[in-house]
Amino acid sequence: KAGVTQTPRYLIKTRGQQVTLSCSPISGHRSVSWYQQTPGQGLQFLFEYFSETQRNKGNFPGRFSGRQFSNSRSEMNVSTLELGDSALYLCASNPGIMNTEAFFGQGTRLTVV
Amino acid sequence: AQSVAQPEDQVNVAEGNPLTVKCTYSVSGNPYLFWYVQYPNRGLQFLLKYITGDNLVKGSYGFEAEFNKSQTSFHLKKPSALVSDSALYFCAVRDTNAGKSTFGDGTTLTVKP
Repeated sequence: KAGVTQTPRYLIKTRGQQVTLSCSPISGHRSVSWYQQTPGQGLQFLFEYFSETQRNKGNFPGRFSGRQFSNSRSEMNVSTLELGDSALYLCASNPGIMNTEAFFGQGTRLTVV
Repeated sequence: AQSVAQPEDQVNVAEGNPLTVKCTYSVSGNPYLFWYVQYPNRGLQFLLKYITGDNLVKGSYGFEAEFNKSQTSFHLKKPSALVSDSALYFCAVRDTNAGKSTFGDGTTLTVKP
């Protein structure tokens, strides 16, 4: 079974630009969650999608948005990039059942210059 | 609101010695508890989980964790540490009434030969 695939793996953007990150979950998984990981802030929850609907949302500004498609693939978008958005963005999928663990992708390393 | 605390940023042990990585949590309902490990430039990998039942759960790579409801703790343990266990460890909690998982800030485990 293929794992969670995130693309691209690395990205360099300039302040003010926007970026779209992609996540393909494990086949059959309907829930996709996004996290931001930085050395100073740890792992911060961005949002979770389940069957194309945003089910939970973290405390991030509106510049951060996401969506999920009918095939469960998900994208997250960050507009008007700031230097502080530089981070490892992790996507996690699970079947959507509460007591199941998450399966993480390798992440997208975003650097904003 | 749910929360997780990993009181130690860093744990150092000698190879062959037992190791403990601490985790305490707070949830309004019953918890689902998870441990994940992260190697450099990789996503998180699932180690073990507590859902219900036996308070001692066993997971991958010889790790185990003990759920203690009265102390709201879920410490990760291993009887004999290996150098290859050196990594970043995350504890996570999910309230059975909520959807999202909350992660601790992580503990860096270093096992020295």
